[in-house]
Amino acid sequence: GDSVTQMEGPVTLSEEAFLTINCTYTATGYPSLFWYVQYPGEGLQLLLKATKADDKGSNKGFEATYRKETTSFHLEKGSVQVSDSAVYFCALSDSGGTSYGKLTFGQGTILTVHP
Amino acid sequence: DTEVTQTPKHLVMGMTNKKSLKCEQHMGHRAMYWYKQKAKKPPELMFVYSYEKLSINESVPSRFSPECPNSSLLNLHLHALQPEDSALYLCASSPMWEPSNQPQHFGDGTRLSIL
Repeated sequence: GDSVTQMEGPVTLSEEAFLTINCTYTATGYPSLFWYVQYPGEGLQLLLKATKADDKGSNKGFEATYRKETTSFHLEKGSVQVSDSAVYFCALSDSGGTSYGKLTFGQGTILTVHP
Repeated sequence: DTEVTQTPKHLVMGMTNKKSLKCEQHMGHRAMYWYKQKAKKPPELMFVYSYEKLSINESVPSRFSPECPNSSLLNLHLHALQPEDSALYLCASSPMWEPSNQPQHFGDGTRLSIL
């Protein structure tokens, strides 16, 4: 079946540091890939997405590239801010069959950014 | 601001009570989802509705009863819950479940505590 593996956290950074959160996946079909962010006390917000190989999703300074050859979708940001402190989930949605648009999530990575 | 609205934000109930969670979206989405999220874990899919019909029940106990009265509303009726049912309940919607590249939009959830 489908699965998503994220780097274990928590991740603690100083403001303006470079961020990478690793995400790799296993899927039977041709998945779409997503990064969601969850701020304390809130639901999940879509951060970015990529729907085919070599697509790059970007939003709010975050980027991730769909790498089919390495089955990866790593999240990066060049300079993090305190306001980026949150939980980040990598997820995939597989196509066809009985997927029913089901999102398969990674375990989540807690990011804390200090001033 | 989220485009998926969930009420109430918090709910405390005893094991013998009956209560309902409500979810509303006005984006014209035809797929709606209920998720359960425990602390520091990813969301777990419970139910999927497509065109107001229940399409997926992920082996959820019968003490959880979903209802989709129209294309904008999704309810989750609760009865005789157990302490382990305490969690954040998230509602989500998407234009349809296929193609898989359509992201799901989440509400901020209802935090449920069972006494």
